[in-house]
Amino acid sequence: NAGVTQTPKFQVLKTGQSMTLQCAQDMNHEYMSWYRQDPGMGLRLIHYSVGAGITDQGEVPNGYNVSRSTTEDFPLRLLSAAPSQTSVYFCASSYGGRYGYTFGSGTRLTVV
Amino acid sequence: AQKITQTQPGMFVQEKEAVTLDCTYDTSDPSYGLFWYKQPSSGEMIFLIYQGSYDQQNATEGRYSLNFQKARKSANLVISASQLGDSAMYFCAMRDLDNTDKLIFGTGTRLQVFP
Repeated sequence: NAGVTQTPKFQVLKTGQSMTLQCAQDMNHEYMSWYRQDPGMGLRLIHYSVGAGITDQGEVPNGYNVSRSTTEDFPLRLLSAAPSQTSVYFCASSYGGRYGYTFGSGTRLTVV
Repeated sequence: AQKITQTQPGMFVQEKEAVTLDCTYDTSDPSYGLFWYKQPSSGEMIFLIYQGSYDQQNATEGRYSLNFQKARKSANLVISASQLGDSAMYFCAMRDLDNTDKLIFGTGTRLQVFP
């Protein structure tokens, strides 16, 4: 199945725990991004990558790390989860330019 | 810095009528792209339409068209002949094509179509 695959779909963490949200795409897209969606705030860019080995910060990078060792994978790491990181997380990928981003189905994360 | 503004938190439209969803943007880059996405209640993000800053014509995709006014920095989405299935959140987004290629979103507009 072509597209962007995110795992897990749901996750509950305790404050201070760490975890990695997985994202994989099989469309050979160079560009990949992570967003968080909170009510009334739209989608905010956390980190993005323009190719393997290249990442940069978005609008709300604090508390999150990323790496891009392959074109296909772009994991998002929460080092020490906080309740403020309760959100829906979307991974997306694109060829770039005028091509739209293809989004994964999202991960609903709750930090208690 | 890039910024996208959607000033309409919610809009109502009757079935079969047209509706315009507003989007204004701010950027200092001459080359950029504007996107609209639809998010139904199921949560997935669906790409609707794209307009490039150098495109001469306004973009159209079926019932969707983009009213692009470059001097006013606006990129409004027009949905013609609304259908009940158009009820969803709609997000405007902008991408800087020269430098970072980041895609930045507005806060969205919730559209409700009633019979």
